[in-house]
Amino acid sequence: GAGVSQSPRYKVAKRGQDVALRCDPISGHVSLFWYQQALGQGPEFLTYFQNEAQLDKSGLPSDRFFAERPEGSVSTLKIQRTQQEDSAVYLCASSLPGGNEQFFGPGTRLTVL
Amino acid sequence: QKEVEQDPGPLSVPEGAIVSLNCTYSNSAFQYFMWYRQYSRKGPELLMYTYSSGNKEDGRFTAQVDKSSKYISLFIRDSQPSDSATYLCAMVVIQGAQKLVFGQGTRLTINP
Repeated sequence: GAGVSQSPRYKVAKRGQDVALRCDPISGHVSLFWYQQALGQGPEFLTYFQNEAQLDKSGLPSDRFFAERPEGSVSTLKIQRTQQEDSAVYLCASSLPGGNEQFFGPGTRLTVL
Repeated sequence: QKEVEQDPGPLSVPEGAIVSLNCTYSNSAFQYFMWYRQYSRKGPELLMYTYSSGNKEDGRFTAQVDKSSKYISLFIRDSQPSDSATYLCAMVVIQGAQKLVFGQGTRLTINP
């Protein structure tokens, strides 16, 4: 497939557990974004990478959230000590350099019990 | 107050009706405006993109931007059941590789 892929599609975690969410962007897309979408809300920006450099992490809600993209392709969003308020769909998007369109993956639905 | 306000609906109309979806925004720095469609359990997909005041048409869809009023609209003509989805407006300050600021999304149902 040529689109953005995310795994797992669904994740259930007990409160306090650590989780790792993976994003495979479209090949050749140097820009990668993470968004958080709560139920019934629009996506909210978390962080942005250009290649392996994290250029903006202003949307990360707390220091429990950490994202990396060590080789400039696959990215991982890690949430430590998950809380119930972290329950949401986490969307990954990628775009070409200077591109206007962000291509979204299907998201990972995280439920924290 | 959020930077982008969008009526969440839900909105339910009969097949063939003209649908009007709207967003208002408060940040006058927004220059580029998009409409995304999101089907249930899918990621958003780009429908329309515009950067100037006025209308832009693509098939059954028309995007309208009024920067003086900080108001954007999406019109869907001859609506089809397959148009049933959540519609999200999104805005960005600078073109290219910038974070999108989304509205809440309007859930639309087209009834056959």
